[in-house]
Amino acid sequence: NAGVTQTPKFRVLKTGQSMTLLCAQDMNHEYMYWYRQDPGMGLRLIHYSVGEGTTAKGEVPDGYNVSRLKKQNFLLGLESAAPSQTSVYFCASMLTSGSHEQFFGPGTRLTVL
Amino acid sequence: DQQVKQNSPSLSVQEGRISILNCDYTNSMFDYFLWYKKYPAEGPTFLISISSIKDKNEDGRFTVFLNKSAKHLSLHIVPSQPGDSAVYFCAARSSGTASKLTFGTGTRLQVTL
Repeated sequence: NAGVTQTPKFRVLKTGQSMTLLCAQDMNHEYMYWYRQDPGMGLRLIHYSVGEGTTAKGEVPDGYNVSRLKKQNFLLGLESAAPSQTSVYFCASMLTSGSHEQFFGPGTRLTVL
Repeated sequence: DQQVKQNSPSLSVQEGRISILNCDYTNSMFDYFLWYKKYPAEGPTFLISISSIKDKNEDGRFTVFLNKSAKHLSLHIVPSQPGDSAVYFCAARSSGTASKLTFGTGTRLQVTL
C-alpha cells in the first residue's frame, strides 16, 4: 500500500494563478482532510470530507475549494493564488468516525510569488 | 484563541535520558489526545494517543499522561534515542465533529549524543 500520496511535491506560482493539489489514498478511508502548516504554527484545517461527494469547511477555508468525486481522491484548488497561501499543505485520511488516527501524506510545498 | 498549546518550541536532551514534552488545552469537549512525530520534508506520523477517560497510556518507550483537571498532557520518552530527534505535535480531537483535530504549534526535540 502506498498510503496517502500527494501531487505535486513542490510548486511555485505567481499571484493570481490557479492550481490543484491532488491527494490520493489506497486504504479505503472514508474521511479525508486538507491542512496547511506555516512557520511557528500548528497544522490548520482547511477543508475536510466525510465521504465521497461531501465536503465541509475547516478553520481556514477562504481562498480554497475542494472536491471529493471519488472516495480515494481529495482535490484542493486555489482559484487565484495569493502570497498568503505560501505554505506546506498536508493531506490526511482516516478510516471512519470511530477512529481517531489520521494518516498523513508527505506534503506539498507551495510558494506564491 | 489557541485551544491546544505547546509552550516549549524546542527541547534538547542527552541520549539515554528522559524527554518530557508538554501540552495544554482549553476545550473540555476534546475526547481524544494524540501525539504526532514529524521529520523534515515528511508528513506527520502518529505516535501515541490517549482517551479523555484515561490518565495514562504506554507504548514501548513512549508514555502519555493526561491530567484532566489541569487540562494538561505530557509525552515521556524513555530512554531517548538520536532517532527521536523530530518535531512533536500534540493534537486533540473534538467529539462528534468528523474527528477533526486541533494541533499545537509543535516542540522540536533534539537528542544529543
